[in-house]
Amino acid sequence: DTAVSQTPKYLVTQMGNDKSIKCEQNLGHDTMYWYKQDSKKFLKIMFSYNNKELIINETVPNRFSPKSPDKAHLNLHINSLELGDSAVYFCASSQGGSSTEAFFGQGTRLTVV
Amino acid sequence: QKEVEQDPGPLSVPEGAIVSLNCTYSNSAFQYFMWYRQYSRKGPELLMYTYSSGNKEDGRFTAQVDKSSKYISLFIRDSQPSDSATYLCALPPNAGKSTFGDGTTLTVKP
Repeated sequence: DTAVSQTPKYLVTQMGNDKSIKCEQNLGHDTMYWYKQDSKKFLKIMFSYNNKELIINETVPNRFSPKSPDKAHLNLHINSLELGDSAVYFCASSQGGSSTEAFFGQGTRLTVV
Repeated sequence: QKEVEQDPGPLSVPEGAIVSLNCTYSNSAFQYFMWYRQYSRKGPELLMYTYSSGNKEDGRFTAQVDKSSKYISLFIRDSQPSDSATYLCALPPNAGKSTFGDGTTLTVKP
């Protein structure tokens, strides 16, 4: 059973398009995250949700909008895609509180052409 | 403001070498420190974590925390080609906004 699963794994799209990435966790965790990893492997947090409530909203363009229909799902919608959005996007979850570990999905490699 | 800073890489060593990976952190209140390993085209996975100061050993891997200097280290003994990956030091995911180091890409050559 995959603990944190995100789809699609690869996404190639043209500039200006709108796309969504879906994430689901079956670990029963309260907190979910979206991270962006660029070509230099820098892992930067974008958003964090706890029990469907947004708790971290890093400085990302408002073209990025997370949506959490329930605490097991956190989707990422991106409007008007730009070349600079090309990166690997990781979804993760943790138990929250004093939890030490984040569990990551396999990543979505987004290429904007 | 980054909560944790990691020595930049990349790092290339011959098989069997001892590898030292290092990070510093900013807030002396932090108690848990993690190391994640990320293989190419995979998500990061927790390798090991330590609590407060001291050492923790797991096979060929040793994690060390020096709270007086706010220094975190990961040592790999008898490094193997299968250890080739990116290693990220980290704080608990809810510790702040920048809880991951920038990563060090390690290549162990046979």
